[in-house]
Amino acid sequence: DSGVTQTPKHLITATGQRVTLRCSPRSGDLSVYWYQQSLDQGLQFLIHYYNGEERAKGNILERFSAQQFPDLHSELNLSSLELGDSALYFCASSSPSGLGTDTQYFGPGTRLTVL
Amino acid sequence: GQNIDQPTEMTATEGAIVQINCTYQTSGFNGLFWYQQHAGEAPTFLSYNVLDGLEEKGRFSSFLSRSKGYSYLLLKELQMKDSASYLCAPSPGSGNTGKLIFGQGTTLQVKP
Repeated sequence: DSGVTQTPKHLITATGQRVTLRCSPRSGDLSVYWYQQSLDQGLQFLIHYYNGEERAKGNILERFSAQQFPDLHSELNLSSLELGDSALYFCASSSPSGLGTDTQYFGPGTRLTVL
Repeated sequence: GQNIDQPTEMTATEGAIVQINCTYQTSGFNGLFWYQQHAGEAPTFLSYNVLDGLEEKGRFSSFLSRSKGYSYLLLKELQMKDSASYLCAPSPGSGNTGKLIFGQGTTLQVKP
């Protein structure tokens, strides 16, 4: 158990819908990263938040947005869902600086299925 | 651009030694991580290298050559539970972030 929690574990929804994925980092970690893993691609970096502020964006679609709240939990919002958005979404946390020398610890992931 | 290259699949025998290679090209470099991922599960941290050389941690060792953009993960005394994907992930270190760039991963199958 990494100490990072993600809810829900599984999510099944229809095209065009909107969902919210939630992540709670390890106690004391200030950084939250979101990654997407689909069958035909490796882990793709989406976005990084540090202590409530956006630090970096990867190949995140405009239909996707994220935020990190004052209690440091983070939410990833996916809207106008398409079949191709079906994937495993992982959250990872790290501390203290949020820079490249910090080890990231991954949550168990949310498996999103869009029908 | 950013590119990570690993073999797609490898097979080895229980009790043997296997080396998983990774070559990378990134716009910046702040260290390289190796993660293990069992199917459908979260990646788990194995090792981190930032300086050239070999880091040993039990049955697992990782090597880095920054000048060559090359790393390898060495697994000794293979066990069946080592059957998993192994992900090479350099941290470009560009800007104010520790984001990781992952390769496709190497799926290792350990046979009895």
